[in-house]
Amino acid sequence: DIQMTQSPSTLSASVGDRVTITCRASQSINSWLAWYQHKPGKAPNLLIYKASTLESGVPSRFSGSGSVTEFSLTISSLQPDDFATYYCQQYNSYPLTFGGGTKVEIK
Amino acid sequence: QVHLQESGPGLVKPSETLSLSCTVSGDSIGIYSWNWIRQSPGKGLEWIGCVYYIGTTNYNPSLKSRVTISADTSKSLVSLKLTSVTAADTAVYYCARAAAGRTDFDYWGRGILVTVSS
Repeated sequence: DIQMTQSPSTLSASVGDRVTITCRASQSINSWLAWYQHKPGKAPNLLIYKASTLESGVPSRFSGSGSVTEFSLTISSLQPDDFATYYCQQYNSYPLTFGGGTKVEIK
Repeated sequence: QVHLQESGPGLVKPSETLSLSCTVSGDSIGIYSWNWIRQSPGKGLEWIGCVYYIGTTNYNPSLKSRVTISADTSKSLVSLKLTSVTAADTAVYYCARAAAGRTDFDYWGRGILVTVSS
C-alpha cells in the first residue's frame, strides 16, 4: 500500500494567514492526489484533484501543487470558514489511501 | 445537487454482519463508481472498496475477505456488508462518489456511526 504522510498534524493560525499543509507519498503517485476539507458532522468536501486542479465552486484562495511524492495545499488568506481538518488522498493505485489529516485551529 | 445519505443500524454485535445502505439522489448511479470509506475513532480515513456502475467491484485487501459492496441502479441504492465484525470495525462509515474516469471523491455523505458492541 502507498503510505501518505501529512504534516503538520495540527496547525494554529489566524484569520488572514497564509497556511501550507504538506503531504508525502511513500512512492511515486505522479499527480494523482486529491485534497479534502472536513468539518465535524459534515460530509467531506473535495477541494483539489490531480494535485493542482481546483474543484468547481471551491474558493480560489485554495491551491495545490507538487508531483511524484511531494505535495502541498496552500490557503492564501485563511478565512473563518476554513478552520477544519484537511486530508490528502492518493489515487495512483489501489488500495486508495489517505493521509492522517491536518487540523487547522484558531490561534 | 447530488446528495448521498447513509443509513443502517448504529449498533452491531461482535461476530455479526454490518449492513449499511447509501441512498443517492440528484443524479443516477450510472457512469460513476460508488465507494465506502470509514474512520475509526481517533484514526484516519480508510478506503473499504467500491462498486462500478457496470457492477464490478474493487476492495481493500485488508478487508476483502469480509466485504461485499453492491449497487441497485433501479433504486439508486449502494450497499455495504461487512461480516464477522469486531470492536475494531467501530467507525463512522461514509458513502462517496468518484466522478466519471476519476478516483477522487466529488460527493460524500455525512457518514453514519456504527458501534460494534455486545
